[in-house]
Amino acid sequence: EAEVAQSPRYKITEKSQAVAFWCDPISGHATLYWYRQILGQGPELLVQFQDESVVDDSQLPKDRFSAERLKGVDSTLKIQPAELGDSAMYLCASSLIPGPPINEQFFGPGTRLTVL
Amino acid sequence: AQSVSQHNHHVILSEAASLELGCNYSYGGTVNLFWYVQYPGQHLQLLLKYFSGDPLVKGIKGFEAEFIKSKFSFNLRKPSVQWSDTAEYFCAVLNNAGNMLTFGGGTRLMVKP
Repeated sequence: EAEVAQSPRYKITEKSQAVAFWCDPISGHATLYWYRQILGQGPELLVQFQDESVVDDSQLPKDRFSAERLKGVDSTLKIQPAELGDSAMYLCASSLIPGPPINEQFFGPGTRLTVL
Repeated sequence: AQSVSQHNHHVILSEAASLELGCNYSYGGTVNLFWYVQYPGQHLQLLLKYFSGDPLVKGIKGFEAEFIKSKFSFNLRKPSVQWSDTAEYFCAVLNNAGNMLTFGGGTRLMVKP
């Protein structure tokens, strides 16, 4: 069964350092999402791509976060510099197309970031 | 702006007990609703979804949810839980444009054997 791949699974870094997370969506899925899930809360959308274009990044803290999907396939989310409050699970999801009725987002295992 | 509230943060049940997890949403447009489940150590998985039609939606593993428009609710139910249902459950609403999936805070369910 096709799955969304993410790496690394765990990342520990010190504040002010740069970190990067990678996501490979299910083959053929044009839409890719990055979410942040703080412990005890539900996931919150950070950015959405349609192919290589950003559709929505209104919740992305652009002073320190950046995301790209250069060839419209895999994607990288970067934080520079990391802050203590960035400690969270970063989830990647993909869907065939956005919107109902077919939209189903498939989630990857996530990257758990700890900032010391 | 859309929002989702899950009032039960932690639920503990014994096996064979019936389950109902509350979900209330706030959204002015056409509603598309989801329940996701996250088993320990696993990734989020879709349990069931509602787009239109029959307000009683059946999902995997014996779960069902009922969309009650007048109450802005989409509660999740299962008549008899099993120990393997121990997980965290998230309700979510999708906006019309399909580009914003908003999750509730989640309900952590523990089923005692």
